Amino acid sequence: SQTIHQWPATLVQPVGSPLSLECTVEGTSNPNLYWYRQAAGRGLQLLFYSVGIGQISSEVPQNLSASRPQDRQFILSSKKLLLSDSGFYLCAWAGGGGTDTQYFGPGTRLTVL
Amino acid sequence: EDKVVQSPLSLVVHEGDTVTLNCSYEVTNFRSLLWYKQEKKAPTFLFMLTSSGIEKKSGRLSSILDKKELFSILNITATQTGDSAIYLCARGTNAGKSTFGDGTTLTVKP
Repeated sequence: SQTIHQWPATLVQPVGSPLSLECTVEGTSNPNLYWYRQAAGRGLQLLFYSVGIGQISSEVPQNLSASRPQDRQFILSSKKLLLSDSGFYLCAWAGGGGTDTQYFGPGTRLTVL
Repeated sequence: EDKVVQSPLSLVVHEGDTVTLNCSYEVTNFRSLLWYKQEKKAPTFLFMLTSSGIEKKSGRLSSILDKKELFSILNITATQTGDSAIYLCARGTNAGKSTFGDGTTLTVKP
């Protein structure tokens, strides 16, 4: 069966520090991968999605970047965090080839102070 | 614009009540309408709807899509405290992306 891992679960970082959040998927090949951010009381904002290794689409201009160095690994990064980067970050995967149902990781709660 | 609008934003009911959650969406590149339940952390998948008028059912939960009027509803009958959660609606597109609404926060009191 497929599983998705995300770490760390919580993170407190000072403004201006770098960020690296990692997401890995097991039990499937060539998944679509997604990074979302969720503000308190809000829905999910799509940040990046990837349909294959090295293929990243950015949905909103921001202080973040994403990379997919391996088929089942998706990384969210920042060189210098802003206060506005605080939030709940969720990674998700979906089967490639047009499957819309997404399966989410446990999320990372990021607080930038 | 890829908009998904959910209503109400929050709802408080008592155990045993029936609730109806609403979701309206924009038609551009529409492929599917999805419902998720988010309790503490990760949203979990409930339903995917692609055809109008065909009800999907799972226990006390059911959902239906109206592609003419561009909305979907999620019904929960005989609510229990374990149904307390944020219910998210999302529109799936031909590009393989999903646009989410802001969710409905349901609180079921004993």
